[in-house]
Amino acid sequence: GAVVSQHPSWVICKSGTSVKIECRSLDFQATTMFWYRQFPKQSLMLMATSNEGSKATYEQGVEKDKFLINHASLTLSTLTVTSAHPEDSSFYICSAWTGGLEKLFFGSGTQLSVL
Amino acid sequence: GENVEQHPSTLSVQEGDSAVIKCTYSDSASNYFPWYKQELGKRPQLIIDIRSNVGEKKDQRIAVTLNKTAKHFSLHITETQPEDSAVYFCAATGGSYIPTFGRGTSLIVHP
Repeated sequence: GAVVSQHPSWVICKSGTSVKIECRSLDFQATTMFWYRQFPKQSLMLMATSNEGSKATYEQGVEKDKFLINHASLTLSTLTVTSAHPEDSSFYICSAWTGGLEKLFFGSGTQLSVL
Repeated sequence: GENVEQHPSTLSVQEGDSAVIKCTYSDSASNYFPWYKQELGKRPQLIIDIRSNVGEKKDQRIAVTLNKTAKHFSLHITETQPEDSAVYFCAATGGSYIPTFGRGTSLIVHP
């Protein structure tokens, strides 16, 4: 299947710092990418829809100033967690539709731990 | 918006038995229904999907059925193996192309 690359796989940071997570579609162009947050033993919670060349669409309850999303090219979307706090610790994962909106593939996820 | 219900939340079977996971959805406009398998700490992997113009699809030991009238779809795994143990998610996608996921089913296959 198509490849979606996500980096870093895990990150530990101090409270108050910012963390950037990258999501890349390696062998296809992705006009739309999604960012999710997943708590242990729970489902995928959609945070925002990232649209290439335009502003992201955030789900209700997600702070857009805290979770900055940029989709500057057809193969790259970034999620920046600003002024991270321990409650932001979670597994963050991106996904992207392949060309023609045929199938949805996921990145490998990023485990964020804020101390 | 779309609402997807998934049952059961936990399913325990003996190796070799069949496993069935069921999902219902609310938006009649939904037309794409993928299933994902997620192992602990890893990404969800697409294992099979079905579109609304098809009633059933099979890939080796895995099959998915769709009943558009009743708005439900199911995942069937035959001859289960210990390596099938994982969390399985269903999803429904309509015209907005934003998939809505079920809560997940933790499948445990006992050797």
